[in-house]
Amino acid sequence: GAVVSQHPSRVICKSGTSVKIECRSLDFQATTMFWYRQFPKKSLMLMATSNEGSKATYEQGVEKDKFLINHASLTLSTLTVTSAHPEDSSFYICSATGWARGEQYFGPGTRLTVT
Amino acid sequence: GQQVMQIPQYQHVQEGEDFTTYCNSSTTLSNIQWYKQRPGGHPVFLIQLVKSGEVKKQKRLTFQFGEAKKNSSLHITATQTTDVGTYFCAGPNSGGSNYKLTFGKGTLLTVNP
Repeated sequence: GAVVSQHPSRVICKSGTSVKIECRSLDFQATTMFWYRQFPKKSLMLMATSNEGSKATYEQGVEKDKFLINHASLTLSTLTVTSAHPEDSSFYICSATGWARGEQYFGPGTRLTVT
Repeated sequence: GQQVMQIPQYQHVQEGEDFTTYCNSSTTLSNIQWYKQRPGGHPVFLIQLVKSGEVKKQKRLTFQFGEAKKNSSLHITATQTTDVGTYFCAGPNSGGSNYKLTFGKGTLLTVNP
């Protein structure tokens, strides 16, 4: 159990375009989903916390108008990188939690490359 | 704000040697969680410790939670090549959502066969 999928796994886009990444909890209802960014050989940087039916809470320094998050249901959250630039190239990982203990289950990640 | 520190940042061992990574929080934690990320993969939840002084074992892995609930350690006995990866500790964000975690920077373990 506790499987989280992410799509796409890899995406290459041109500068100025937008990219949508989907995160789904496959076998449980996620009360909360998180979006992280990870640079090579670095730790996880939390970008935002997403709760179903409400606005996402963004971490300091993360532009909410650039990284749009929609949490339409208890099993789906999306992250849209708008007007992408090369500096947005990174590994984006979502996680989901549905338990009182708060452990997080991570998706396989999306490698975004902006050319 | 809350900080979670991990040492060492990197550790290279010969297969069969033991390995330990240490985690320290700037604040008292309600629980500590450990995750493993294989190269090219995503973090995978390993375990959660809740009680002061708690010790849990998973085969060759031993997890400890300090008496003051501010530090933790992960010890691997007789490492194998399958243990390669980055080990992260994480604690709930103090003062905020119980679900939000603050992650340490991780310890990258490499094992020489």
